[in-house]
Parts: sequence; C-alpha cells; structure tokens
Amino acid sequence: GEDVEQSLFLSVREGDSSVINCTYTDSSSTYLYWYKQEPGAGLQLLTYIFSNMDMKQDQRLTVLLNKKDKHLSLRIADTQTGDSAIYFCAEIHTGRRALTFGSGTRLQVQP
Amino acid sequence: DVKVTQSSRYLVKRTGEKVFLECVQDMDHENMFWYRQDPGLGLRLIYFSYDVKMKEKGDIPEGYSVSREKKERFSLILESASTNQTSMYLCASRLYKEDEQYFGPGTRLTVT
Repeated sequence: GEDVEQSLFLSVREGDSSVINCTYTDSSSTYLYWYKQEPGAGLQLLTYIFSNMDMKQDQRLTVLLNKKDKHLSLRIADTQTGDSAIYFCAEIHTGRRALTFGSGTRLQVQP
Repeated sequence: DVKVTQSSRYLVKRTGEKVFLECVQDMDHENMFWYRQDPGLGLRLIYFSYDVKMKEKGDIPEGYSVSREKKERFSLILESASTNQTSMYLCASRLYKEDEQYFGPGTRLTVT
C-alpha cells in the first residue's frame, strides 16, 4: 500500500534555511504536493511537482524530487517566524482518486 | 476564490450520540473528501465522493458514513459516537485529479 513518511519536528533559527524531507513508497506517484497548516486553520497548498520533474522553484521555496530514492524535499530560504506551521507532504498516483498524506512536520522558527 | 466551509469549528458530543458534520463548497467541484487529523498520524482519509450520490470508502471508514445528495454538500455521519472518534475533521474538495485540493478550516470534535 501507499505510505508517505516525514519527520515530526524541525527547529531552525530565523534567517536560516529549512529543509523538510519526505519519502514515499508508490513508484506510480504522478503528483507530489506540499501543504502548510497554520494553527487553527485548514491546509493550504504551497507548491506541487509533477513526477517527471526533479526540481521546482517558487520564490523562497525549492522542491527537489529524487524519483530513484522516492524522496521529496521542501527547502524554505530565509525562514521567517511566519513560516512556523505544520508542513504536509502528499502524493497521488495512478488508480487512486485521493491524496495520501504524510504525518506532517512541525516547523518551529526561533527568533 | 474557492471556499470550503464546515458547519462547526468546535463540537462536543456524548458517547452514543449521532453526529452530523456538514461541508459545503462553492466551486462546483466533482470530488469531495473527509479526513481526520490526529497528532503524529497526519491526515487519514475516511470517505470521499466523486459525484452526487457516489461515494467510496477511504482508509478508515469504520464507524462513519457519508451522504452527498447535492453536488456542493458532503456530510459525514457518526452513527454512534465513541471516544476514539475525538479528533479534528477536515473536509476538502477538488475539481479534477491533478487540481489543487482545497480544505475547510476543520471541525474539532470531542466525544465525552
């Protein structure tokens, strides 16, 4: 079955880069996503990458995809206190209508 | 601007009660989803619907049922609430498979 795994917690200092990692098991994943959840709110899509890409950059966000190792990462440059949130990795693959989410990584940004 | 709304932000119910959680989306999306979110477990799919009156079980459907009588509304039903159903419930909708999935703000349900 599908499985998406993330570490549970990451702490960084303001201004540093943050790297949040995710591994997945299904080799037929077609799209991979990063969602952000701020306290008391639902999830909001940050960025996504097609499985035939290996990198996507969007302002301070860089997504790297290593298909061979089934490893996805999200790098946030110049991390700010407003980036403190839970970040979820998710994937969808052929034959399934619903996204599969990881457990979420809580990012804590210290001033 | 897509909006997914959920009927309650906070709900407290007693064991054995029947509980209805309502979700409404305003963008004519085909697909709607119910997840529950628990610390350390992420989001787990309970049920989803890809059309009116159509539904499919997700990964943890036991103890839940759903109803989709109109395209914009997807209801999650706990027939007889139990304490292990205390959780955050998130509704989401999406047009096509590759599109962005939009989430509601969540309903925090406590069953005592």
